[in-house]
Amino acid sequence: ILNVEQSPQSLHVQEGDSTNFTCSFPSSNFYALHWYRWETAKSPEALFVMTLNGDEKKKGRISATLNTKEGYSYLYIKGSQPEDSATYLCASLSGYSTLTFGKGTMLLVSP
Amino acid sequence: KAGVTQTPRYLIKTRGQQVTLSCSPISGHRSVSWYQQTPGQGLQFLFEYFSETQRNKGNFPGRFSGRQFSNSRSEMNVSTLELGDSALYLCASSPDLGESYEQYFGPGTRLTVT
Repeated sequence: ILNVEQSPQSLHVQEGDSTNFTCSFPSSNFYALHWYRWETAKSPEALFVMTLNGDEKKKGRISATLNTKEGYSYLYIKGSQPEDSATYLCASLSGYSTLTFGKGTMLLVSP
Repeated sequence: KAGVTQTPRYLIKTRGQQVTLSCSPISGHRSVSWYQQTPGQGLQFLFEYFSETQRNKGNFPGRFSGRQFSNSRSEMNVSTLELGDSALYLCASSPDLGESYEQYFGPGTRLTVT
């Protein structure tokens, strides 16, 4: 994998559904994996920064895992709410200070 | 604590002109990164500055340049503007991006080149 890739590109779920997204990144020269939430008309907001293989982080109903050996991370949202509607971006930190972003997963949660 | 600020918020320029965008980081943050966002392309890394030194540069032509001042404020300059430079330009600050701190983004500057 040469670039940071995210899937799916978009997702439409009902309120209360749980969902997950995937981020794939180059495992070589890896320093950290960032997750951001970007709501329309706002700035991207940091969710997690993970560095170690096997890392798991949680913030409320959102959690993330990291596998640096195989180069992937999962973001989980439990019991989605309409306010979770946003684009979720992952980014891989390589070359010490170069952050390469994926194109994001656009989530829409319907009431 | 004040967030990251960017000026101007909107800008319309003509092909061939040059433009300077400004970013003021959160107080105490020494790392400032710049990104370009165009439809369908996602956020593209432009460059990162730390303590007035450019540590990394993305794959952009030499028309894109930047600098950081001793107070950590940063500017980016685009010379000889092209239509394809129309984009949202975001800056983000961090205590030190290389040490895996999270970034805080500014509201962006929307540049339109006609």
